[in-house]
Amino acid sequence: GAVVSQHPSWVICKSGTSVKIECRSLDFQATTMFWYRQFPKQSLMLMATSNEGSKATYEQGVEKDKFLINHASLTLSTLTVTSAHPEDSSFYICSARWGEGEQYFGPGTRLTVT
Amino acid sequence: GIQVEQSPPDLILQEGANSTLRCNFSDSVNNLQWFHQNPWGQLINLFYIPSGTKQNGRLSATTVATERYSLLYISSSQTTDSGVYFCAVVAANQAGTALIFGKGTTLSVSS
Repeated sequence: GAVVSQHPSWVICKSGTSVKIECRSLDFQATTMFWYRQFPKQSLMLMATSNEGSKATYEQGVEKDKFLINHASLTLSTLTVTSAHPEDSSFYICSARWGEGEQYFGPGTRLTVT
Repeated sequence: GIQVEQSPPDLILQEGANSTLRCNFSDSVNNLQWFHQNPWGQLINLFYIPSGTKQNGRLSATTVATERYSLLYISSSQTTDSGVYFCAVVAANQAGTALIFGKGTTLSVSS
């Protein structure tokens, strides 16, 4: 199957700082990338959808000024958590898709804000 | 928006047992995927199945789109099958379409 990577796999940052997470599709070109968030023992919640070359579309309740998403190429999307606070601590997972095909997921990034 | 319900929420099995996981969805969908989330959080694609039946080793899945449900069968379960199984359906959103997840079934297989 297709491979999606994320970096870093885990990060600890201080409250008020910003953190950038990278998501790459390694062996296919992703016309659409997605960012999900997962709290412990819960399901994945879609945060935003990003089509290559376009601005990201955020789900209701997701602050677009806090979670900055860039999808500059067909293989790379980034999520920047700005001015992070402890309540932003979570497991962030990206996924990628070509056209309307199967969606593939990265291994996730565990963010802890102290 | 579309609702995705999975049952049962938790399942405990002895090694070697068979199981059936169910996914109901509230509206017609263009596609459906099943995933296994391992203990490290990685989502592993199991099936991409808008309709019909597919099999992969000890796992098989059936989707009956007209009746809005899908089933995942696990036969001769092994301890390595433990984890959370998610069903996700492709639903329309403002940017096009995206996968919307059910709450998952947590499977524990003991030896």
